[in-house]
Amino acid sequence: NAGVMQNPRHLVRRRGQEARLRCSPMKGHSHVYWYRQLPEEGLKFMVYLQKENIIDESGMPKERFSAEFPKEGPSILRIQQVVRGDSAAYFCASSATGGIDSTEAFFGQGTRLTVV
Amino acid sequence: RKEVEQDPGPFNVPEGATVAFNCTYSNSASQSFFWYRQDCRKEPKLLMSVYSSGNEDGRFTAQLNRASQYISLLIRDSKLSDSATYLCVGGGKLIFGQGTELSVKP
Repeated sequence: NAGVMQNPRHLVRRRGQEARLRCSPMKGHSHVYWYRQLPEEGLKFMVYLQKENIIDESGMPKERFSAEFPKEGPSILRIQQVVRGDSAAYFCASSATGGIDSTEAFFGQGTRLTVV
Repeated sequence: RKEVEQDPGPFNVPEGATVAFNCTYSNSASQSFFWYRQDCRKEPKLLMSVYSSGNEDGRFTAQLNRASQYISLLIRDSKLSDSATYLCVGGGKLIFGQGTELSVKP
């Protein structure tokens, strides 16, 4: 039973390019969460999705960032026109149930994005 | 007020010490709470769930106080391998506290 799979593990982009980060949840999990961790900082919630729906995107920057979790395939976090400040570790987690009584979430190994 | 707040760190303790972390939450509707640990900024790993009645797993004890809206983690007989950042999280959109760094010294 594979865990949460994120790819790529490392991604280097030049300023102005697009970054696409993928997350395949654990088998049987339909709730996905994305977090960003900047150097020397804690995990910051970005977005919470369920299959085909964005449940809460209150942590997403207003511009350049978007996320989806289609019916088929992995969840995608997309960053357009990347800037140096986007360099961070991006973690994805999944859980079987969500909401205020959600079950445990399990994390992928993260994608380390470096913008040069 | 932040949704989840933790004790500021770092905590530097000798081996064998008992150390306690607290975490307050603002969403009184949250039903599920968890403690995670993060090593060297790798992916967080689930340490334990927190149940209303409190729960214990070896040297670790987690408790929930709904009236005061906080959860706690007690680590007894600290080991060097317990050195990590400990994160608390409440149910809903799984907002994490900022983390408390623990350093256990020989």
